[in-house]
Amino acid sequence: GAGVSQSPSNKVTEKGKDVELRCDPISGHTALYWYRQSLGQGLEFLIYFQGNSAPDKSGLPSDRFSAERTGGSVSTLTIQRTQQEDSAVYLCASSSAGDTQYFGPGTRLTVL
Amino acid sequence: GESVGLHLPTLSVQEGDNSIINCAYSNSASDYFIWYKQESGKGPQFIIDIRSNMDKRQGQRVTVLLNKTVKHLSLQIAATQPGDSAVYFCAENIMGQNFVFGPGTRLSVLP
Repeated sequence: GAGVSQSPSNKVTEKGKDVELRCDPISGHTALYWYRQSLGQGLEFLIYFQGNSAPDKSGLPSDRFSAERTGGSVSTLTIQRTQQEDSAVYLCASSSAGDTQYFGPGTRLTVL
Repeated sequence: GESVGLHLPTLSVQEGDNSIINCAYSNSASDYFIWYKQESGKGPQFIIDIRSNMDKRQGQRVTVLLNKTVKHLSLQIAATQPGDSAVYFCAENIMGQNFVFGPGTRLSVLP
């Protein structure tokens, strides 16, 4: 595709429900990143995949958060038992190793 | 990345003036730096990058300056336009590792 795509663009869920957010990176990009951005704030790193290496999960805020990257391409970020403080925009980016990150449009998650 | 609260630093400039946005980075081993622009409701958009073997790089209306001695990065925007209004983030990277983002600066262009 022409760029990084994310789905859904908006997700409203009830507290306690699980959600899955999807990221389709740019074809051929070996690195994939997930970030969280709360309203009016900077980017909070969540997780980083590079090729077949073990992911860097150091930014995941709790064990309710997990992510997978299947076949070195599509990634899914899962949040279990969502809480109101999980409400934010979740951004995905991809890059070739050592090169510029390209961001998707984000998924706006609202937990009621 | 870091988040520093609800109120981003703000820079207000008159339309047509030059803007300078500054960023202090944290890791002296970082060898790649990027400036991003983020408009409301959109993901960050790449503006310009620079590697550590350079101290200046120019693009269209934008210039990035790198001072490795004091770990400082700046973005200069010439003849600032209303469409430049956005939040600007710097990011640093070490090859093979994650990008680390600065807190962001909101640029407001006054008519």
